[in-house]
Amino acid sequence: RKEVEQDPGPFNVPEGATVAFNCTYSNSASQSFFWYRQDCRKEPKLLMSVYSSGNEDGRFTAQLNRASQYISLLIRDSKLSDSATYLCVVRLIDNDYKLSFGAGTTVTVRA
Amino acid sequence: EAQVTQNPRYLITVTGKKLTVTCSQNMNHEYMSWYRQDPGLGLRQIYYSMNVEVTDKGDVPEGYKVSRKEKRNFPLILESPSPNQTSLYFCASSLRPDTGELFFGEGSRLTVL
Repeated sequence: RKEVEQDPGPFNVPEGATVAFNCTYSNSASQSFFWYRQDCRKEPKLLMSVYSSGNEDGRFTAQLNRASQYISLLIRDSKLSDSATYLCVVRLIDNDYKLSFGAGTTVTVRA
Repeated sequence: EAQVTQNPRYLITVTGKKLTVTCSQNMNHEYMSWYRQDPGLGLRQIYYSMNVEVTDKGDVPEGYKVSRKEKRNFPLILESPSPNQTSLYFCASSLRPDTGELFFGEGSRLTVL
């Protein structure tokens, strides 16, 4: 079983729509969680960290559900520029620097 | 400008011909790492380095070597490339490895024929 699993999508949504997707992780000892964004043929970039209490950054909201071992990302009022692949990243064990990456969820926002 | 620079960005080579992909960062980061990205598999770590002269294997180190003689440079060496090493390679660095924030290079697309 993969350490981090994501629905590859693609999620095709119109501008202004809300889109949400999850990422599941297999190791219950996972400590830290992040969302990265990767534009087509570009390098990944950190979008946001995911805190236990959930967090919001503008139109982006991230949630963590430890009981069910998943994190989620919600994008409100989608813009064309939000079209990208979103990578779920999990740091497995505290004091272990290994980051495990999901294969990504592709979002396409259409005009 | 703070950045991670990889070269070459694109390379087509043949089986068995040794090659090196260079990686350099100008942010004085201690931690550096190499990943390969393949469709449907996500980023997989090849090697990482916590500091100068300290390197460790990641998840998929077979067929690769690295060195960290200087803080800013972390080259990836393929001594005898094979077609299964055809991939998109990313170098990344971080000030502290326990944060989740990695700064990636633009990627090197390698094709081994």
